[in-house]
Amino acid sequence: GIQVEQSPPDLILQEGANSTLRCNFSDSVNNLQWFHQNPWGQLINLFYIPSGTKQNGRLSATTVATERYSLLYISSSQTTDSGVYFCAVEAGNQFYFGTGTSLTVIP
Amino acid sequence: NAGVMQNPRHLVRRRGQEARLRCSPMKGHSHVYWYRQLPEEGLKFMVYLQKENIIDESGMPKERFSAEFPKEGPSILRIQQVVRGDSAAYFCASSHLALKETQYFGPGTRLLVL
Repeated sequence: GIQVEQSPPDLILQEGANSTLRCNFSDSVNNLQWFHQNPWGQLINLFYIPSGTKQNGRLSATTVATERYSLLYISSSQTTDSGVYFCAVEAGNQFYFGTGTSLTVIP
Repeated sequence: NAGVMQNPRHLVRRRGQEARLRCSPMKGHSHVYWYRQLPEEGLKFMVYLQKENIIDESGMPKERFSAEFPKEGPSILRIQQVVRGDSAAYFCASSHLALKETQYFGPGTRLLVL
């Protein structure tokens, strides 16, 4: 299967800071999604982004499919941004998840 | 439009019992996927189903685990003779027929095997 690596594995930010999360994948993929798993365990769709750049409020994402990576930008971080961020890539009939970046935003 | 529903949200079983996890996809979605998340890990694909068909079960253990998505009713993930190693969060996702790439996740079922 496809290998999905995320970095950094852990991140601690002061409220208001910006951050960039990275997702590398080992092969061509059909699609890519970013998810936020909040401290209660719920998975929330952030972006469906097989290529290009999208923005949604303080969050934006860029996928460069030819170079097999995607970036998630979080600006002006808030404590509610805490949780684990996963990228998942689709190949065939399934999604392959990375191991996640655990983000803690402190006030 | 209600999202993906899973029940129960929490399930406790003793070793050797059966666990039945249910997933109702979003309205209009006919593709269902099951994932397992062990503590401190990412999600691992288990099985992909369409109505009355298993499309890909390559991630599901060959023994004790089964899944179905009947013509009527929710999708069911069934674990027979549970063991402690089955303790995990089980997530269901669904997608639209024409947009199967975008998956929407349910809240998960936390299974604890004593």
